[in-house]
Amino acid sequence: QKEVEQDPGPLSVPEGAIVSLNCTYSNSAFQYFMWYRQYSRKGPELLMYTYSSGNKEDGRFTAQVDKSSKYISLFIRDSQPSDSATYLCAMGRLTQGAQKLVFGQGTRLTINP
Amino acid sequence: NAGVTQTPKFQVLKTGQSMTLQCAQDMNHEYMSWYRQDPGMGLRLIHYSVGAGITDQGEVPNGYNVSRSTTEDFPLRLLSAAPSQTSVYFCASSRRQTQGQETQYFGPGTRLLVL
Repeated sequence: QKEVEQDPGPLSVPEGAIVSLNCTYSNSAFQYFMWYRQYSRKGPELLMYTYSSGNKEDGRFTAQVDKSSKYISLFIRDSQPSDSATYLCAMGRLTQGAQKLVFGQGTRLTINP
Repeated sequence: NAGVTQTPKFQVLKTGQSMTLQCAQDMNHEYMSWYRQDPGMGLRLIHYSVGAGITDQGEVPNGYNVSRSTTEDFPLRLLSAAPSQTSVYFCASSRRQTQGQETQYFGPGTRLLVL
């Protein structure tokens, strides 16, 4: 069993739709929960970061963490074609100054104009 | 700032050849790491370093060597390339983590094909 599971999609929705992306994890030692966005042939870039259960909002993006269920989500409101990318969830734990990340498989998202 | 740079962008190797993937950052970051990205597998940690002279293994270290002689550079060496090492390799860096809040910045990646 993988430590982090993410539905790879692909997911295709019309412009303006609400998008929900999800990950589950099995290791209770994870302390930090992140969402990265990766455009085609580019490196991942950090989108959202949180370390506690609950919701965190940043513009059109909301990250949700439920530690009791070991489940995290990313919601995108009013989705735009520019949101088309692969979204990767990542879980981190701190070890002697190093943040070791475990990534999900990534979900490829397409927003259709 | 150039951020995290990686060279080459693309490389083709024959089985058994060796090569070094270069990674450099100009942000004075103490933490640097290497990941590989394969279809359906996400990114997996190969090796990481918390400072010059200090390296450690990640999830998939076999077949790779690293060293960290300066803060800026963190090269990844493939000793004897195998087709299973065909992948996209990403280097990342961040400030030293004290509470896990430091953002990791990723380079643009190196695409490696081993025939």
